[in-house]
Amino acid sequence: DAGITQSPRHKVTETGTPVTLRCHQTENHRYMYWYRQDPGHGLRLIHYSYGVKDTDKGEVSDGYSVSRSKTEDFLLTLESATSSQTSVYFCAITQAQNTEAFFGQGTRLTVV
Amino acid sequence: GENVEQHPSTLSVQEGDSAVIKCTYSDSASNYFPWYKQELGKRPQLIIDIRSNVGEKKDQRIAVTLNKTAKHFSLHITETQPEDSAVYFCAANPNAGGTSYGKLTFGQGTILTVHP
Repeated sequence: DAGITQSPRHKVTETGTPVTLRCHQTENHRYMYWYRQDPGHGLRLIHYSYGVKDTDKGEVSDGYSVSRSKTEDFLLTLESATSSQTSVYFCAITQAQNTEAFFGQGTRLTVV
Repeated sequence: GENVEQHPSTLSVQEGDSAVIKCTYSDSASNYFPWYKQELGKRPQLIIDIRSNVGEKKDQRIAVTLNKTAKHFSLHITETQPEDSAVYFCAANPNAGGTSYGKLTFGQGTILTVHP
């Protein structure tokens, strides 16, 4: 498996609290992505990064922010968690455009 | 933006049969179409991909076909085995403006069950 790890793997949090998920890679890949996976929706892109400090919104970015201060780390923050953000979150990396995406193990987030 | 539709949502076959999963996409500029397999509780993993300059690609029991005119592509698994049971996702790269940054738009997924 590619060197990509997510933390935490599981988290339960209360509505209204901020939450940060971390994605760490050891592959020195340029591109990093955050997706959420929900039944019936497949994987939907939240935010992505194409370099250090270079990020942009995906299709479901409302309520989320990201930061990438180093090549190896891509952080996803839920500014004020809501129940609709209960999901499984996957980080992914690619070396170049239109090449294989390697996914992390996923983070199961429950907002109560 | 790109829209990817995947059918069927569930597929049940007997071991040894073939399985076909179909996807359509909306962005005529898309030029990269990967397929991912996700076993229960695991991460998605690439099983095959195809680019728009070819119409078909094979890798052992797996093949993908692409029809750019109709904007659809399909995954074919022959001689299915119980270990093929998983969720399969198709995807396409939204290519508006010519730079996709590796983004992917995924289909909704197909749960494939292969019965021994």
